[in-house]
Amino acid sequence: DVKVTQSSRYLVKRTGEKVFLECVQDMDHENMFWYRQDPGLGLRLIYFSYDVKMKEKGDIPEGYSVSREKKERFSLILESASTNQTSMYLCASSPPGRRAQYFGPGTRLLVL
Amino acid sequence: GESVGLHLPTLSVQEGDNSIINCAYSNSASDYFIWYKQESGKGPQFIIDIRSNMDKRQGQRVTVLLNKTVKHLSLQIAATQPGDSAVYFCAENIEDHNAGKSTFGDGTTLTVKP
Repeated sequence: DVKVTQSSRYLVKRTGEKVFLECVQDMDHENMFWYRQDPGLGLRLIYFSYDVKMKEKGDIPEGYSVSREKKERFSLILESASTNQTSMYLCASSPPGRRAQYFGPGTRLLVL
Repeated sequence: GESVGLHLPTLSVQEGDNSIINCAYSNSASDYFIWYKQESGKGPQFIIDIRSNMDKRQGQRVTVLLNKTVKHLSLQIAATQPGDSAVYFCAENIEDHNAGKSTFGDGTTLTVKP
């Protein structure tokens, strides 16, 4: 089975802190994605990557950056956390030619 | 514009009944559709997919129907069980040269009453 893991299930940070969310997948997938999920707004794509060191902006990239130095790891960075970034963050991966995505369990981030 | 939406935000059914969850999409260029299930406290899980050259696909207790004429997608769950209680998302795959980005609907919360 494909496994996508996220570094934390729950995280509490203060406004202005730099926050790192890590995602690791064990199936050698080329594609990786970061989403945030908010009530009433569904899943919104922040960034995605289709190869090592490659990244593309999603629908809501403002306030976020990403890093993909290794194929199995995709990191989401909040440069200066703000309260409106309180959310559930979901990472996903998929192999090329198959567009169904495999999701991690999510990180619930609270920014105070 | 592009959007993927679900007709109803909530659906309540009796255990043992069949459930039908609907989804409308607006991008006629979409060529691949996926249904996901998200249980409380977990990430979405793939249930079933369908390509635009098909109009029906069956899995274990689930069937997806695609009507391209009216841009409508549905997920049918047979003999619904308490373990089927979850949020269900449809996703529309937008033609993309690389990563196979999807656009997700808002989700329908299915509650199964014993």
